[in-house]
Amino acid sequence: ILNVEQSPQSLHVQEGDSTNFTCSFPSSNFYALHWYRWETAKSPEALFVMTLNGDEKKKGRISATLNTKEGYSYLYIKGSQPEDSATYLCAYRRNNNDMRFGAGTRLTVKP
Amino acid sequence: NAGVTQTPKFRILKIGQSMTLQCAQDMNHNYMYWYRQDPGMGLKLIYYSVGAGITDKGEVPNGYNVSRSTTEDFPLRLELAAPSQTSVYFCASSYGGQKNIQYFGAGTRLSVL
Repeated sequence: ILNVEQSPQSLHVQEGDSTNFTCSFPSSNFYALHWYRWETAKSPEALFVMTLNGDEKKKGRISATLNTKEGYSYLYIKGSQPEDSATYLCAYRRNNNDMRFGAGTRLTVKP
Repeated sequence: NAGVTQTPKFRILKIGQSMTLQCAQDMNHNYMYWYRQDPGMGLKLIYYSVGAGITDKGEVPNGYNVSRSTTEDFPLRLELAAPSQTSVYFCASSYGGQKNIQYFGAGTRLSVL
């Protein structure tokens, strides 16, 4: 069974707060780890793809880290803004064709 | 470029009816995917295709069929709709490879009553 777990399920923060959430995945047979941002009534959009242990990616105020040996990735948002409100999905791949999504972390940023 | 286009956006079916969800992409991607998304759950892979003429099952293929006669199109067929198939369906496409970013369509919301 390939379990991809995301925590927390939901998060409410104030504008300006920094926040982070976790994606846990099997530590064996790692191929790649993806983060997607999914706004309500829109399609998921790719944020990052990470393939190597220790990878760190950054896009504006959002960054992600990867630990393949212990099977987790963190997504950080610095100085959250209301427009960051969305569901953040991670997806684990063990080969080229297989992508397993977590259930997502739903972030709400209050002005 | 339109990206990934799904039709219809919404549909209500009666139990036992059939329908085809359409998906087309204009990015010349080899890989295409169908997912379903149920409340509180992640996206579950139904079927995928690595190129025209090649399809394979994902996690939850039962009750669905696909075909891939062209690079652009990847329709999903429901033969005998059941209430358990009430869901939001997303089509996606990508170039493939390790840094394989999938591009998603806007989704089809299907209710089976």
